[in-house]
Amino acid sequence: EAGVAQSPRYKIIEKRQSVAFWCNPISGHATLYWYQQILGQGPKLLIQFQNNGVVDDSQLPKDRFSAERLKGVDSTLKIQPAKLEDSAVYLCASSLGLAENTDTQYFGPGTRLTVL
Amino acid sequence: RKEVEQDPGPFNVPEGATVAFNCTYSNSASQSFFWYRQDCRKEPKLLMSVYSSGNEDGRFTAQLNRASQYISLLIRDSKLSDSATYLCVVLSGTYKYIFGTGTRLKVLA
Repeated sequence: EAGVAQSPRYKIIEKRQSVAFWCNPISGHATLYWYQQILGQGPKLLIQFQNNGVVDDSQLPKDRFSAERLKGVDSTLKIQPAKLEDSAVYLCASSLGLAENTDTQYFGPGTRLTVL
Repeated sequence: RKEVEQDPGPFNVPEGATVAFNCTYSNSASQSFFWYRQDCRKEPKLLMSVYSSGNEDGRFTAQLNRASQYISLLIRDSKLSDSATYLCVVLSGTYKYIFGTGTRLKVLA
């Protein structure tokens, strides 16, 4: 079974530039997550989709970050304009979206963003 | 108080040792719990799910104590390859996964 795919794997940009990340979840997974992981910390949820609807975006810095999941499959996360503190690994994860006590999420390899 | 708390470590243990990590959570309504393993510069990978009181998989045992709101991970006969960061994850709310900061383990030869 194919896992969660992400691209690019690495990206280096200068502050104030824009960047976009792409994620393709595991086939059939209804729930998709974008996390930000800063070095030495656990992943922090940015946004969560259930099919093509947003379930939770309370920690997404909406003045600069945006995300969409058209057609309930692939998703893109955009940062515009980027700041130095956005340097992190951006992880995409997906899960079937089953009943709460049986759901499990799986992660993609992540995109490592460096903002100079 | 953080929703999920872990001792960041690092835990440095010799090969063959037994090591245990604890993780506490604040939401008493949480239903599912997980341990993920994360190697340096890699994505988290599911190690174990803990749906009831606990479960065992080879050298790894996870236990859940709902009364005290903590889960634990026990690793027996540690191998060099067990060196990694172990993330405690609590499923709380509508498919909302809350991550701890992770506990670093280094197994020494």
